[in-house]
Amino acid sequence: EVQLVESGGGLVQPGGSLRLSCAASGFTVSSNYMSWVRQAPGKGLEWVSLIYRGDSTNYADSVKGRFTISRDNSKNILYLQMNSLRAEDTAVYYCAKIMIRGVNENWGRGTLVTVSS
Amino acid sequence: DIQMTQSPSSVSASVGGRVTITCRASQDISTSLAWYQQKPGKAPKLLIYAASTLQSGVPSRFSGSGSGTDFTLTISSLQPEDFATYYCQQANSFPLTFGGGTQVEIK
Repeated sequence: EVQLVESGGGLVQPGGSLRLSCAASGFTVSSNYMSWVRQAPGKGLEWVSLIYRGDSTNYADSVKGRFTISRDNSKNILYLQMNSLRAEDTAVYYCAKIMIRGVNENWGRGTLVTVSS
Repeated sequence: DIQMTQSPSSVSASVGGRVTITCRASQDISTSLAWYQQKPGKAPKLLIYAASTLQSGVPSRFSGSGSGTDFTLTISSLQPEDFATYYCQQANSFPLTFGGGTQVEIK
C-alpha cells in the first residue's frame, strides 16, 4: 500500500528556513516522479515543485531560487528545503506521487508551515 | 502559464441529484486534465485523469469528459459522501495549475 507521511512543518519567522520531509512506503521514491503541492488557509491548491526520476527538477515561479526539492534514495524520503520564507508561503504542504504527466495520484496528509513574526 | 477556470464556484444539490462542474483552460491542453476531490481537513483524492479515465476504486457515478480547452466533471447521483470541494488540474505543461475549486453543498 502506498503511504506518504510529511513532517517538518511549524512556525518560522519571515526570512527563515525549514526543511520538509516526506517518508514514502509501498513504492520507491527514486523510481517515480514526486511533487509538492501547497494550500494556503482557506484557499485552493498550488503546485510547488516536481522531481523527475533522474535529478531534473521543476519549480513554480513563486518559489524558484528559494525552495529546493530533493530525495534520499537510501531512506526513501522526499525533501523540500525552503529558504527565505515569506508570509505568503504559509500553507499546508502536501507531497504526492506522480502517476503520469503531472497527475498527483497519491497524497500525504500534509504538514502546516506558518511564516509569521 | 495555463489558467484553469472552474465554474460554478459553489453548487447546492440534493442527495440523488446530478451535478456538473466545468473547467476551462486558457489554451489547448488536449486531454491532460485531472479532477480531485477534497474534504475539509483532508488531502485531495484523485478521481479522474486524462480527462475521462476513472481512477481505480472511484465510483462509476463520477465521470469526466472534454478535450482541448473545455472539460466537465459529472456526478450522476450524489451521495452524502460526495459533498466536498472539487478541483481540476492541467497536466499538459509546467507550471502545473489548478482551477479555483467548486464546493458541492447539500441542498
